[in-house]
Amino acid sequence: DAMVIQNPRYQVTQFGKPVTLSCSQTLNHNVMYWYQQKSSQAPKLLFHYYDKDFNNEADTPDNFQSRRPNTSFCFLDIRSPGLGDAAMYLCATSRGQGPTDHYEQYFGPGTRLTVT
Amino acid sequence: QQQVKQSPQSLIVQKGGISIINCAYENTAFDYFPWYQQFPGKGPALLIAIRPDVSEKKEGRFTISFNKSAKQFSLHIMDSQPGDSATYFCAASIQGGSEKLVFGKGTKLTVNP
Repeated sequence: DAMVIQNPRYQVTQFGKPVTLSCSQTLNHNVMYWYQQKSSQAPKLLFHYYDKDFNNEADTPDNFQSRRPNTSFCFLDIRSPGLGDAAMYLCATSRGQGPTDHYEQYFGPGTRLTVT
Repeated sequence: QQQVKQSPQSLIVQKGGISIINCAYENTAFDYFPWYQQFPGKGPALLIAIRPDVSEKKEGRFTISFNKSAKQFSLHIMDSQPGDSATYFCAASIQGGSEKLVFGKGTKLTVNP
């Protein structure tokens, strides 16, 4: 089945220790997104890639970086995690813009990040 | 103008009842309105979506009603089941514009047996 896969599902890191979360997709979608979701809140978009084009949200802290080495994979790097970065991190994909396209986004299961 | 306002924040319904969640928007350029269902510890899953050229879309027990003039849309869950207990998010986006979804704040639905 085509899907969005996130690894690991649970990640524990220490305050200030860099961490990388990964996302892969078998949908061959053009667009990949990273969201941060805290308890009882809606997902908050951090950034997205349209193919190789990187689009950062204005309020995403510099502490968060992303890489997309190819169509299938996308990484979220948190350079110096703080306690406030503990959250669920969601990867999503969409097919992207076309004459009749709309942005159906398909989410992965998420990575729960704990910062100690 | 980019906001989507969702209500109620939480909802408790008895098994077999109708669950209704409402959303309102201001930006008339929005032309795609999906609903996502999220279970605890899982990612959101696309449940049903509507375009503004129709006033209603039904898939099984789930129906979206859309009122373009009022700039409102709602999700109705008929014959609600305990397995429907989840958080529901409405969202909106603009085809051909940004690739981004604007989410409502979510409604936590509890269906009691």
